[in-house]
Amino acid sequence: AQSVTQLGSHVSVSEGALVLLRCNYSSSVPPYLFWYVQYPNQGLQLLLKYTSAATLVKGINGFEAEFKKSETSFHLTKPSAHMSDAAEYFCAVNPGNTGKLIFGQGTTLQVKP
Amino acid sequence: DAEITQSPRHKITETGRQVTLACHQTWNHNNMFWYRQDLGHGLRLIHYSYGVHDTNKGEVSDGYSVSRSNTEDLPLTLESAASSQTSVYFCASSSGTGFAEAFFGQGTRLTVV
Repeated sequence: AQSVTQLGSHVSVSEGALVLLRCNYSSSVPPYLFWYVQYPNQGLQLLLKYTSAATLVKGINGFEAEFKKSETSFHLTKPSAHMSDAAEYFCAVNPGNTGKLIFGQGTTLQVKP
Repeated sequence: DAEITQSPRHKITETGRQVTLACHQTWNHNNMFWYRQDLGHGLRLIHYSYGVHDTNKGEVSDGYSVSRSNTEDLPLTLESAASSQTSVYFCASSSGTGFAEAFFGQGTRLTVV
């Protein structure tokens, strides 16, 4: 069965510092990969998705992710953290082109002033 | 603007009672999904539907049921609420499979006492 692993349930960075949230997936076929963000007491919002057109994917709010097939990874980065980036981030995979999503455990990002 | 709405946003119920959570989308999407969010587990799929009169079990379907009588609505019913079903429930919809983005509702926080 396919799975998604997010390393680190909590990540804390200073404002202006690099943000790196890790995601590894298990898949025997090219996956459909997504990053979602959840702000407090809200639903999930799409940050970006891997569409196979390019390995480096740019999303909203300055986030980007790089698909590395050899490492089965899809890590999320942002060069400079902003206080408004504090939220929970989920990596997800759509297995077998079914439309269903398998989520990682989530990573809470804390941004310190 | 198209949207997906859930009601109620918060509910407290007693063990053994039947509870129904509503989900309504105006995207005209064929695919609809119910997930539950629990600390340390991310989001897990409960039930899903690919169209009117179609319903399927997800990863954690025991104790839950859904019905799809029209495109817009997918209500989730807890047949006999249990304390283990205390969770935050999210409804989502998407236009297709593969790269299609899923749009999420704001969530329903259910407490079973």
